[in-house]
Amino acid sequence: DGGITQSPKYLFRKEGQNVTLSCEQNLNHDAMYWYRQDPGQGLRLIYYSQIVNDFQKGDIAEGYSVSREKKESFPLTVTSAQKNPTAFYLCASSIVGSTNEKLFFGSGTQLSVL
Amino acid sequence: AQSVAQPEDQVNVAEGNPLTVKCTYSVSGNPYLFWYVQYPNRGLQFLLKYITGDNLVKGSYGFEAEFNKSQTSFHLKKPSALVSDSALYFCAVRDYNTDKLIFGTGTRLQVFP
Repeated sequence: DGGITQSPKYLFRKEGQNVTLSCEQNLNHDAMYWYRQDPGQGLRLIYYSQIVNDFQKGDIAEGYSVSREKKESFPLTVTSAQKNPTAFYLCASSIVGSTNEKLFFGSGTQLSVL
Repeated sequence: AQSVAQPEDQVNVAEGNPLTVKCTYSVSGNPYLFWYVQYPNRGLQFLLKYITGDNLVKGSYGFEAEFNKSQTSFHLKKPSALVSDSALYFCAVRDYNTDKLIFGTGTRLQVFP
């Protein structure tokens, strides 16, 4: 089945630790996104990438980093600089170049601080 | 700047009754509007979109949305609610400058048997 796979489903971070969230897609989409979801705040864009080896900051990029070495993969690292990392993280992908494109989402990763 | 507002945190409706989830938008130019649904501990799923044309847009699972330019609204509707429709619903608008989606804060729909 085509889709987006996020792992792990649950992740715990210790103070001062960096953690990496995985996102893989087999939809052959060029664009990939990372969103953070907090209760009552909707979705906020962290980073996005429209092509391999290129990515742009979203609205809340501080304390996060990404890479896009392969078209199908877009991992997100939550660094120790992110002081409030507890949230539900969603990865998405879409076809680039179409202004009426829809996003396809993964099932999310719940990150909590120990 | 483009934005959407969902004025209700929660909507409660009895099964079999019609439901409406409200969304208003603020854009410069013609809006591209979307509705997504999120079930517990899952990602978002696309329901429907408005780009141009007919003001009544039909989508998945029997949902539809009415685009009203004069009221700058894009309310989600369903003639007869099901308990399985209970979920979190997000309205979104495309930002012309960045081509990214801007999401509302979400409305939780609770359908009671």
